[in-house]
Amino acid sequence: GESVGLHLPTLSVQEGDNSIINCAYSNSASDYFIWYKQESGKGPQFIIDIRSNMDKRQGQRVTVLLNKTVKHLSLQIAATQPGDSAVYFCAETSAGGTSYGKLTFGQGTILTVHP
Amino acid sequence: DGGITQSPKYLFRKEGQNVTLSCEQNLNHDAMYWYRQDPGQGLRLIYYSQIVNDFQKGDIAEGYSVSREKKESFPLTVTSAQKNPTAFYLCASSMGQSRDTQYFGPGTRLTVL
Repeated sequence: GESVGLHLPTLSVQEGDNSIINCAYSNSASDYFIWYKQESGKGPQFIIDIRSNMDKRQGQRVTVLLNKTVKHLSLQIAATQPGDSAVYFCAETSAGGTSYGKLTFGQGTILTVHP
Repeated sequence: DGGITQSPKYLFRKEGQNVTLSCEQNLNHDAMYWYRQDPGQGLRLIYYSQIVNDFQKGDIAEGYSVSREKKESFPLTVTSAQKNPTAFYLCASSMGQSRDTQYFGPGTRLTVL
């Protein structure tokens, strides 16, 4: 049956603080992970990705950490700004087979940045 | 939104009607995807296509149909068989390789009256 998730996890921070958004995954075969940002009424926007042969990857003001042992992914946003307020999704995929190119999305986390 | 367009932005449908949502990309991507998003939930895959004239069912294909006659176009038809079609529909495309980033369009919000 369908899962129903009416209450997304939320994170509220002050402008200038660092934010950490977490994501757990269950498929041990997943080997590629992406973080997306979705603003209200818009499509998801690519932020950063990481492959399973890496533990950490940095972008502009963002860092993704991957812990394959506990199947955990995190997104760190430095010096959070009001424009960072959005819903953040992690997505995972694995190469080959029937899951070729197919992403599995997490439920999402609402980030609210207060001025 | 980078090269992926969806139309219309808002769509209203009466019960019993079929409607078609447009998705076009000029990124020369081989693969295209349709997702459905309900309030407070993540994205669920409806259909995907890795190559022209071929497509596969996703997790929630019932009540939907697609075609892929051209590389740049992947229209989605929401049929009257879809019991709860009111949702936000997102189209995406990717190069079609494994471990591939998908890029999303701006979405179409469908409301059944």
